[in-house]
Amino acid sequence: DTAVSQTPKYLVTQMGNDKSIKCEQNLGHDTMYWYKQDSKKFLKIMFSYNNKELIINETVPNRFSPKSPDKAHLNLHINSLELGDSAVYFCASSPGLAGQEGGNEQFFGPGTRLTVL
Amino acid sequence: AQKVTQAQTEISVVEKEDVTLDCVYETRDTTYYLFWYKQPPSGELVFLIRRNSFDEQNEISGRYSWNFQKSTSSFNFTITASQVVDSAVYFCALDNTDKLIFGTGTRLQVFP
Repeated sequence: DTAVSQTPKYLVTQMGNDKSIKCEQNLGHDTMYWYKQDSKKFLKIMFSYNNKELIINETVPNRFSPKSPDKAHLNLHINSLELGDSAVYFCASSPGLAGQEGGNEQFFGPGTRLTVL
Repeated sequence: AQKVTQAQTEISVVEKEDVTLDCVYETRDTTYYLFWYKQPPSGELVFLIRRNSFDEQNEISGRYSWNFQKSTSSFNFTITASQVVDSAVYFCALDNTDKLIFGTGTRLQVFP
């Protein structure tokens, strides 16, 4: 059973399009995240949600909008895609935040490789 | 400011050599967590270890060991008797409240 799953695994699209990446976790975790990994392998947090509430929005353009319909899902919608959005996007989940019961060990999904042409 | 530095961009070793990956962090908080993740060529991120700031005991898990030293703000990772399957990018990360701050990663190549 996959703990954190993302769909699609690969996404190739044209500039200006709108696309979504879905993330689901079956670990019963309260906290979910989106990270972006650029071509140099640099990993950076984009968003985090705790119990469906936005905790972090790390200076991400408004074109990126996360949506958490329930604790098990955190989807990422991207409007008006740009060339610079090409990257691997990782979803992750953890039992809680640092210092909370259960701790903050993050489990990552397999990643979605987005290519904008 | 929170920061994680992995000064070694790339390391190449021959199988069975021991190798140490360095990690230095900066934080003003007294409570924080440190992590190591492995990213093999297949691309997924694999959790290796989490250590909280109050536990400075070194840890060993098979061929892997970690040396946490608060005095030097370092959390180094040693692989003993490296194997080709250890070839990957290894990330050190810091978490004090609500997010992981990653280092830039060290690419380890183990040659047969």
